Amino acid sequence: DQQVKQNSPSLSVQEGRISILNCDYTNSMFDYFLWYKKYPAEGPTFLISISSIKDKNEDGRFTVFLNKSAKHLSLHIVPSQPGDSAVYFCAASANSGGSNYKLTFGKGTLLTVNP
Amino acid sequence: NAGVTQTPKFQVLKTGQSMTLQCAQDMNHNSMYWYRQDPGMGLRLIYYSASEGTTDKGEVPNGYNVSRLNKREFSLRLESAAPSQTSVYFCASIRLAGAYNEQFFGPGTRLTVL
Repeated sequence: DQQVKQNSPSLSVQEGRISILNCDYTNSMFDYFLWYKKYPAEGPTFLISISSIKDKNEDGRFTVFLNKSAKHLSLHIVPSQPGDSAVYFCAASANSGGSNYKLTFGKGTLLTVNP
Repeated sequence: NAGVTQTPKFQVLKTGQSMTLQCAQDMNHNSMYWYRQDPGMGLRLIYYSASEGTTDKGEVPNGYNVSRLNKREFSLRLESAAPSQTSVYFCASIRLAGAYNEQFFGPGTRLTVL
């Protein structure tokens, strides 16, 4: 049973426009959510995160929104740039402050930003 | 700081051969992880080590063993490789900071089992 779902395998947007990547989760115990970005032949790199006590977190062009009642989060990139083209993974954990910490990942969304 | 390093970067094995994937981190993190990434499957946790001397199974542990040699190093061993283990393997470590945890990944090992 997939606990973190990214239902769009791919997304294509024009440079300068907004990119919206979506993620749904089923485990109500998840209390911390992260987005990772991955370029080909590299490891994932941390992008932005949000705790379940918040509904929005912003870092430059990147904003993550959390809707706990809908068990849904989204990553907004504004404005999108060609260098943002990568696979984006949504991840969640159920023990944000504990030592026995594990992340559950979605399958990823390939974002392509066209010049 | 090198962060998380993995060796080798690429490896080709024949079915039944064994090998060990090495991982090291220089960030003094307590927890380390091994993931595999397959097309369309995202990242799946194989094993993790919450601290030196402890290891636990993740989502897909079958066919693998791990060793947490010391705080810096966490190795993944395939005793008898199978084609189903063809994948990209990522090692990671984590900085636990209360509600603001961040996991750092290595560059990956691309393994092909023929």
